[in-house]
Amino acid sequence: QKEVEQNSGPLSVPEGAIASLNCTYSDRGSQSFFWYRQYSGKSPELIMSIYSNGDKEDGRFTAQLNKASQYVSLLIRDSQPSDSATYLCAVKDSSYKLIFGSGTRLLVRP
Amino acid sequence: NAGVTQTPKFQVLKTGQSMTLQCAQDMNHNSMYWYRQDPGMGLRLIYYSASEGTTDKGEVPNGYNVSRLNKREFSLRLESAAPSQTSVYFCASSENTGGVWEGYTFGSGTRLTVV
Repeated sequence: QKEVEQNSGPLSVPEGAIASLNCTYSDRGSQSFFWYRQYSGKSPELIMSIYSNGDKEDGRFTAQLNKASQYVSLLIRDSQPSDSATYLCAVKDSSYKLIFGSGTRLLVRP
Repeated sequence: NAGVTQTPKFQVLKTGQSMTLQCAQDMNHNSMYWYRQDPGMGLRLIYYSASEGTTDKGEVPNGYNVSRLNKREFSLRLESAAPSQTSVYFCASSENTGGVWEGYTFGSGTRLTVV
């Protein structure tokens, strides 16, 4: 059973701080990784994808991938109360399907 | 573009009743998926359709059936609803004809309660 693990949280950070969200995965052959944001009562929305080792930046978001250690992380700089949501890590399997972690709830305190 | 449209948004069923959840996408995507989301358990794949005319079981298919009616539509049927099927159901679609795969586009979800 391929697995994706996330700390359920909540992760609480003050406004303006860096939030760091982590994810580990079991399938060493995985090649594509995604972060989705889900507000309460809403559907997941894609915020970042990453395919190569290293960092990928998009505005206040940075995704980091380390395939040797089988972990993916998401950094949110200058966190805002509007970033408060559940963040889902997802890993593409050998076909075109995503395996999701259970999500980390982020709370940004004003 | 409407993207992925799910109906209904909310539904309450009695144990043993049947119903069909509808999903349609207007992005000409090949693949479509049904997931359920339960507290603390993330999104779990029920069934998927890699292309028109094909369907396959996911992680939690028991108690469900699906139909890929055409390229746009993928429905999920509960033949005899059980309280354990109380959940939020998400439909998603993706394009998988080569190049960089950009993951799913999700519908807005159906919140189902079985009493």
